[in-house]
Amino acid sequence: DTEVTQTPKHLVMGMTNKKSLKCEQHMGHRAMYWYKQKAKKPPELMFVYSYEKLSINESVPSRFSPECPNSSLLNLHLHALQPEDSALYLCASSQVGGVYSNQPQHFGDGTRLSIL
Amino acid sequence: DAKTTQPPSMDCAEGRAANLPCNHSTISGNEYVYWYRQIHSQGPQYIIHGLKNNETNEMASLIITEDRKSSTLILPHATLRDTAVYYCIVRARHSGNTGKLIFGQGTTLQVKP
Repeated sequence: DTEVTQTPKHLVMGMTNKKSLKCEQHMGHRAMYWYKQKAKKPPELMFVYSYEKLSINESVPSRFSPECPNSSLLNLHLHALQPEDSALYLCASSQVGGVYSNQPQHFGDGTRLSIL
Repeated sequence: DAKTTQPPSMDCAEGRAANLPCNHSTISGNEYVYWYRQIHSQGPQYIIHGLKNNETNEMASLIITEDRKSSTLILPHATLRDTAVYYCIVRARHSGNTGKLIFGQGTTLQVKP
């Protein structure tokens, strides 16, 4: 069991649909992350939030829109996705900065997204 | 962040120690070595990390060479449930900021009965 919870576990959507992925953690972490993982490839960073503010966007297309409404929640809003966006989307969290700056990230088990 | 090199795959007999190597010859003084693993259909799981001293926890031991150019993750008594992809990652300590993880291709460890 992980301490980072992602919902839904599986999502199938058409290219014209709008959907959202959700991530929740209650470890008091103030940094949260979205990663994308294609089949048989390593995870790749998409976004980083620090203290609920977007701090890193790895040149992700605008059809992916992240949101961090509070310190425990992270959303990824999806719109007009392409078939090549089918992947496992992973959320992670960690402590931030100072004496915590070497602390590890903790991952959820991901949402497996399929675009038809 | 420094690049890491790992063998693509390894086998280990159940009950024996699994020793997973990682080369990070360009590591700098403020960079930590992290190990994660990913079991099929799950998210990456943190195992251990270290700067220059050897580290041990309930899951594994991390041995870092004196010149810090390589390290070895040791699973002392491998079980079938340890079959996974193991990632060695070098990451700088970003004081006051969040550091991003750059995953390499990892080592697929197959534990066999």
